[in-house]
Amino acid sequence: SVLLYQKPNRDICQSGTSLKIQCVADSQVVSMFWYQQFQEQSLMLMATANEGSEATYESGFTKDKFPISRPNLTFSTLTVNNARPGDSSIYFCSSSGGSSYEQYFGPGTRLTVL
Amino acid sequence: QQQVRQSPQSLTVWEGETAILNCSYEDSTFDYFPWYWQFPRESPALLIAIRPVSNKKEDGRFTIFFNKREKKLSLHITDSQPGDSATYFCAATNQGGSAKLIFGEGTKLTVSS
Repeated sequence: SVLLYQKPNRDICQSGTSLKIQCVADSQVVSMFWYQQFQEQSLMLMATANEGSEATYESGFTKDKFPISRPNLTFSTLTVNNARPGDSSIYFCSSSGGSSYEQYFGPGTRLTVL
Repeated sequence: QQQVRQSPQSLTVWEGETAILNCSYEDSTFDYFPWYWQFPRESPALLIAIRPVSNKKEDGRFTIFFNKREKKLSLHITDSQPGDSATYFCAATNQGGSAKLIFGEGTKLTVSS
């Protein structure tokens, strides 16, 4: 398995500002995934991030709005640009450990945009 | 296009009863189906998973039944306990591809005592 840590746990920001969410794994992992979850709803995959390459975004998510960096095999950052109240949700990073199929989630970052 | 569907949206059972949560999928290339449970204010946690080489996977009170022909699976929770009250997500992925998980809408289970 893999343990994932996220920072910050929660954030409150004003509309129009940008914020960064960090995800750190306790071991090297090939892929990191970012998910968005609105309250009482399912998890929506935003993008897949592999080291040394640009993140692959799912429909409805763009690099300009949600740039993702993956500088090494244990770290990824999700940025929310020009935050809007509609971006208020929980953001999770996830990954599999080693050759395991099992995917694990970080504790999440709860974002509130005023 | 919703590739993974779950039903019912919510389910209430009495303590000791068997809860049955349903899931269906569309993409025949999916080859790994994990179930996650999520408690309020927590992140999803892997509960149990199955691969299409099997039609049943059991772990204690939790059992997945898998029907590859119909592209359906179900999670059975026997002897349900109040502590099982959570939202359950069925997910699917193609491990030979990007390995990204596609989640269903979730089933909110309440176990009453």
